[in-house]
Amino acid sequence: KQEVTQIPAALSVPEGENLVLNCSFTDSAIYNLQWFRQDPGKGLTSLLLIQSSQREQTSGRLNASLDKSSGRSTLYIAASQPGDSATYLCAVASYQKVTFGTGTKLQVIP
Amino acid sequence: GAVVSQHPSRVICKSGTSVKIECRSLDFQATTMFWYRQFPKQSLMLMATSNEGSKATYEQGVEKDKFLINHASLTLSTLTVTSAHPEDSSFYICSAQRPGTGELFFGEGSRLTVL
Repeated sequence: KQEVTQIPAALSVPEGENLVLNCSFTDSAIYNLQWFRQDPGKGLTSLLLIQSSQREQTSGRLNASLDKSSGRSTLYIAASQPGDSATYLCAVASYQKVTFGTGTKLQVIP
Repeated sequence: GAVVSQHPSRVICKSGTSVKIECRSLDFQATTMFWYRQFPKQSLMLMATSNEGSKATYEQGVEKDKFLINHASLTLSTLTVTSAHPEDSSFYICSAQRPGTGELFFGEGSRLTVL
C-alpha cells in the first residue's frame, strides 16, 4: 500500500525567502507525481506534474524534483510571496490509484 | 478557465434526502474520474475511482450503496449521497485524469451540509 508523507506539516516564512517542501512515498512503482495547492474551502489547483521518467519540472518560481529510487520529491518555491500562502499537496499516481500526501500548510508573512 | 466543473458548490439538505453532485470534464474526455472526501484540516480521502462505462471501484470502508457513482459519459461523473445524514456533511471533490499524461484536474469541490 502506497503511503505518502509530507514534511513539514506547517511552515511560516517571511516574504522573499526561498523554501523547500518535501514529499516522500513508500512504493517507487509510480506513473507520475503531481504537486497541487489548495486554498481554504476550495478545490485543488495543479502546479506541476512530473512523469516517472522525468527528474524535474519547472514553472515560473516553482521547481519540482523527483527521485523515484529514494521515494522523494521536493517542491522548491523561489522568492516566496504572500499569495503563495496555501496548503500544498503532493499526489502519487500508481496503477488506477492516486494517493495524496498529508499536506504542508504554508504561510508567507509580508 | 476551469478544466473540471463541479456542481453544486454548496448544498444544504435535510436528513434522509438524497443529493447529487455532478463533475464535468470540460477540456478532455476522461475515462477515469475520482471522488474524494475531505474533512476539515485533513488531506483528501479517496472514496472511489469512476471508470466510464463500468462500475466504480470503491475504497475500503466506503459504502457503495450510500455513495452512488455513475460515469455514464466520458465527460460526466455523478456522486449521489443517498439518505444523507449529518455525518455525511463534508467537502466532496472530484477529479478527472487526462489520458496519456495522467495529469489530474480538480473541481472546485462541493460542500454538503446535512441538517
